[in-house]
Amino acid sequence: GAGVSQTPSNKVTEKGKYVELRCDPISGHTALYWYRQSLGQGPEFLIYFQGTGAADDSGLPNDRFFAVRPEGSVSTLKIQRTERGDSAVYLCASSPRRGSGANVLTFGAGSRLTVL
Amino acid sequence: KQEVTQIPAALSVPEGENLVLNCSFTDSAIYNLQWFRQDPGKGLTSLLLIQSSQREQTSGRLNASLDKSSGRSTLYIAASQPGDSATYLCVVNAGGTSYGKLTFGQGTILTVHP
Repeated sequence: GAGVSQTPSNKVTEKGKYVELRCDPISGHTALYWYRQSLGQGPEFLIYFQGTGAADDSGLPNDRFFAVRPEGSVSTLKIQRTERGDSAVYLCASSPRRGSGANVLTFGAGSRLTVL
Repeated sequence: KQEVTQIPAALSVPEGENLVLNCSFTDSAIYNLQWFRQDPGKGLTSLLLIQSSQREQTSGRLNASLDKSSGRSTLYIAASQPGDSATYLCVVNAGGTSYGKLTFGQGTILTVHP
């Protein structure tokens, strides 16, 4: 596609529920990243995929958070037993490949999650 | 651990003014530094990217400088316009095995009033 697409754009859920957030990267981009932005803060790194595998998941806050990218394109961020503190905008980004000086990450518009 | 700080947190100026946004980072071993713009409900838009070997980059009314040794970057906006109103984010990329693991500042909220 022309850009990084994220769905849903807004999600309101109740504490304890399970949530999935989807990211469609730019076609052909092998690297995909998830970030989380809390209100009034800059985005914080969650996880990075190179192809199908998670190359770095050191930013995932705890084991309630999990992300997959089974075919190396679309990725899903999964949050179990949501808590009010999970409320944030979840941003996805992609880039053609890792480690090149010419590469710039392209971000999606984000999925705003509100946990009541 | 890399930390990125942006000053001021918010700035309100009349249209036409030239302005400077400041960014400082604690670890000078960076791969590149970017300035992004963030509009409400929209994704981040990359404005300028400065490689670690570069001193500055220019695009239209925007000029970004990088002093890696002192851990500082500035974004200069000339002849500001109301359409420049947005949050500006300074972002550091450590590169290597941390490539893509960007460290963001908290942002500067800019308001340009007519």
